[in-house]
Amino acid sequence: AQKVTQAQTEISVVEKEDVTLDCVYETRDTTYYLFWYKQPPSGELVFLIRRNSFDEQNEISGRYSWNFQKSTSSFNFTITASQVVDSAVYFCALSDPGGYGGSQGNLIFGKGTKLSVKP
Amino acid sequence: NAGVTQTPKFQVLKTGQSMTLQCAQDMNHEYMSWYRQDPGMGLRLIHYSVGAGITDQGEVPNGYNVSRSTTEDFPLRLLSAAPSQTSVYFCASSPSGFVGNQPQHFGDGTRLSIL
Repeated sequence: AQKVTQAQTEISVVEKEDVTLDCVYETRDTTYYLFWYKQPPSGELVFLIRRNSFDEQNEISGRYSWNFQKSTSSFNFTITASQVVDSAVYFCALSDPGGYGGSQGNLIFGKGTKLSVKP
Repeated sequence: NAGVTQTPKFQVLKTGQSMTLQCAQDMNHEYMSWYRQDPGMGLRLIHYSVGAGITDQGEVPNGYNVSRSTTEDFPLRLLSAAPSQTSVYFCASSPSGFVGNQPQHFGDGTRLSIL
């Protein structure tokens, strides 16, 4: 079964600390895509990154970095030197291989991790 | 450069009432979908469409109806609102139904309360 697990429900850190958000997935597909989205307190969903299953290179974008490990089915997200503006709910998502009608356009979301960064 | 537009942003209904949540995109995207977000549940797929005239069910379709008469619009209808449908609803679009080529563009959400 396709599944995304974000075991950390809430995390609280002090500004400038590094923080890692965990994401573990299950899929029957050999080709799949993983995503991270940010949902700030204002409520909108902001796309952060997409990674396909054939690219295990870590990615860095400013203070954000992602570690993809197929061996452990994990796609973890690290924020370096966290800031108050990073406070949000972060969702990890997995491409649906077509369980619903065959379309691969759908996403399976984890339950999210609420990150609070205190000044 | 509107992207995905959802209306209304907030709505309060009484049990048994019907209503339509509107979703429009101006990017000529073939693929559109509706998700609901409940506390502690993440987002779950309600219905989706891979093109005009084509719709299909997602994980939680009961109590909802959709149609896709144009590429731009994908309305979600609540036939007889129930308190269990209190949620935040997100509409999303992508150029096609082939995932991985592009991220999904999400609307800002509709917060719906059923009393």
